[in-house]
Amino acid sequence: DSGVTQTPKHLITATGQRVTLRCSPRSGDLSVYWYQQSLDQGLQFLIQYYNGEERAKGNILERFSAQQFPDLHSELNLSSLELGDSALYFCASTSGSRADTQYFGPGTRLTVL
Amino acid sequence: GESVGLHLPTLSVQEGDNSIINCAYSNSASDYFIWYKQESGKGPQFIIDIRSNMDKRQGQRVTVLLNKTVKHLSLQIAATQPGDSAVYFCAEKGGSGGSNYKLTFGKGTLLTVNP
Repeated sequence: DSGVTQTPKHLITATGQRVTLRCSPRSGDLSVYWYQQSLDQGLQFLIQYYNGEERAKGNILERFSAQQFPDLHSELNLSSLELGDSALYFCASTSGSRADTQYFGPGTRLTVL
Repeated sequence: GESVGLHLPTLSVQEGDNSIINCAYSNSASDYFIWYKQESGKGPQFIIDIRSNMDKRQGQRVTVLLNKTVKHLSLQIAATQPGDSAVYFCAEKGGSGGSNYKLTFGKGTLLTVNP
């Protein structure tokens, strides 16, 4: 158990809908990273937050957004969902702002029908 | 741009043998490398890391070797066990600027251990 929690574990929704994925980092960690994992793209970095502020952006679509709250949990919002958004979404956390050893949560499997 | 790739997408070994998983990277400025293990249905699990000022680092049954001259990283697993069956990812972190804040992952190697 990495200490990172994610909810929900599974999510099934329809195209055009909006969903919110939640992540709680390890106790004491200030950084949260979001990744998308699909069969053909591997693990793709989406976005990083450090202590409530956006720190780095990767291949995140404009339809996706994230935020980190004062209690350091983070939410990833996915809107206008498309079939191609079906994937595993992972969050990871680290104590500092740099991308050193990241501890991953169990992931949320999103299926868009 | 940055890229981290794997030489072999699949590797099959016999239980008890040693396994070697290879990874090539292209960013010569990368200063930190990590190996993750991902079992089916689970998130990536940290195995071992190495900084660019080192050539070798050992853990429990695992060794990571870094060859900066040819930009190559390898993970050696000694006495491979069935529980080692998983997908293994290498990841790198750039050494400056925005690349300091993200990991770039390779596509993964599937290791299968035959009893």
